[in-house]
Amino acid sequence: GNSVTQMEGPVTLSEEAFLTINCTYTATGYPSLFWYVQYPGEGLQLLLKATKADDKGSNKGFEATYRKETTSFHLEKGSVQVSDSAVYFCALTNQGGKLIFGQGTELSVKP
Amino acid sequence: NAGVTQTPKFRILKIGQSMTLQCTQDMNHNYMYWYRQDPGMGLKLIYYSVGAGITDKGEVPNGYNVSRSTTEDFPLRLELAAPSQTSVYFCASSYGRGGEEKLFFGSGTQLSVL
Repeated sequence: GNSVTQMEGPVTLSEEAFLTINCTYTATGYPSLFWYVQYPGEGLQLLLKATKADDKGSNKGFEATYRKETTSFHLEKGSVQVSDSAVYFCALTNQGGKLIFGQGTELSVKP
Repeated sequence: NAGVTQTPKFRILKIGQSMTLQCTQDMNHNYMYWYRQDPGMGLKLIYYSVGAGITDKGEVPNGYNVSRSTTEDFPLRLELAAPSQTSVYFCASSYGRGGEEKLFFGSGTQLSVL
């Protein structure tokens, strides 16, 4: 079946450090891929998405490239800020059109 | 801009009690969803609805019921609460299918069953 696997957290970085959060997936067909972010005490928000192979999604300095050959959708940011501290969820759509989420990766950025 | 509103934010139940988690959206979205989030796990889909009067099961529907009498409201009912239902519950909505349109989430309900 379809599934998403993310790197375990928590990830702790200093401000201005480079961020990578790994995400790999298993899917039949050609799913769309998403990153959602959950700030403390809030619901999830869509951060970025990519709908086909080699697409790059980007938003707020975050980027992720849909790599079909490695079944990956890693999230990157060149210089993180304290305000980026949150839980990040990778997700894909299954053939029924519903989202399947990874387990989430907590990011903590220290000043 | 209310978006998706969930109530209550926190609740403690005793085993065997029942309760309803409320969810309302003001964006005229057709699709609504209930997810549960367990520690270290991703969100699991409980139930979803594609429009008023239409509901369907997700991955983990056992122990829950839903109804969708209006476009705005999508309550989740727990009839006989069990400790395994201790979780954080999120309601979400989207204009189109969640795989094509982005989901808007409420801020969650933290439920403990003791």
